[in-house]
Amino acid sequence: EAGVAQSPRYKIIEKRQSVAFWCNPISGHATLYWYQQILGQGPKLLIQFQNNGVVDDSQLPKDRFSAERLKGVDSTLKIQPAKLEDSAVYLCASSLVVSGELFFGEGSRLTVL
Amino acid sequence: KQEVTQIPAALSVPEGENLVLNCSFTDSAIYNLQWFRQDPGKGLTSLLLIQSSQREQTSGRLNASLDKSSGRSTLYIAASQPGDSATYLCALHGSSNTGKLIFGQGTTLQVKP
Repeated sequence: EAGVAQSPRYKIIEKRQSVAFWCNPISGHATLYWYQQILGQGPKLLIQFQNNGVVDDSQLPKDRFSAERLKGVDSTLKIQPAKLEDSAVYLCASSLVVSGELFFGEGSRLTVL
Repeated sequence: KQEVTQIPAALSVPEGENLVLNCSFTDSAIYNLQWFRQDPGKGLTSLLLIQSSQREQTSGRLNASLDKSSGRSTLYIAASQPGDSATYLCALHGSSNTGKLIFGQGTTLQVKP
């Protein structure tokens, strides 16, 4: 069974530039999550989708971050404009059901200079 | 507000030793708890999931326990090996409805040959 796919694995940008990350969850998983993990910390939830609807985006900095899951399958997370403090690993995860076991992708490491 | 704490932040043990990693939480009303492993530069790998009605789960050399009344979970690793070196994170779902996983900071384990 294929796992959660993410791309790109690494991205380096200048501050104020934009960046987009892509995630394809495990087939059949209705719930998709984007987490931000800053070095040395546990992951923090940015946004949770149930199919193509947003369940929780309370910690998403909406002035610069946006995410979509148009067809209820893959998802894109965008940052525009990026700040230095956005340097982190962006992890995508999926689960079969809400509050079920989560499976994570390899992550996308962002460095903002 | 639910808070998850993992102490110590780092642990170093000689190969072959049995060890226990600790996870504590402030609100005993949880739905389930999940232990993850994270290798440097990688995503999170699910190790064990314990439902709130369960006391423990086992997989190979790993055993996770859950005591909701005391707000604690432990991950027991038997006969540790250098390949067990990684960061171990615990995370929990507060309810069956939200899907939001709350993470601890993690314990970085080093097993010395």
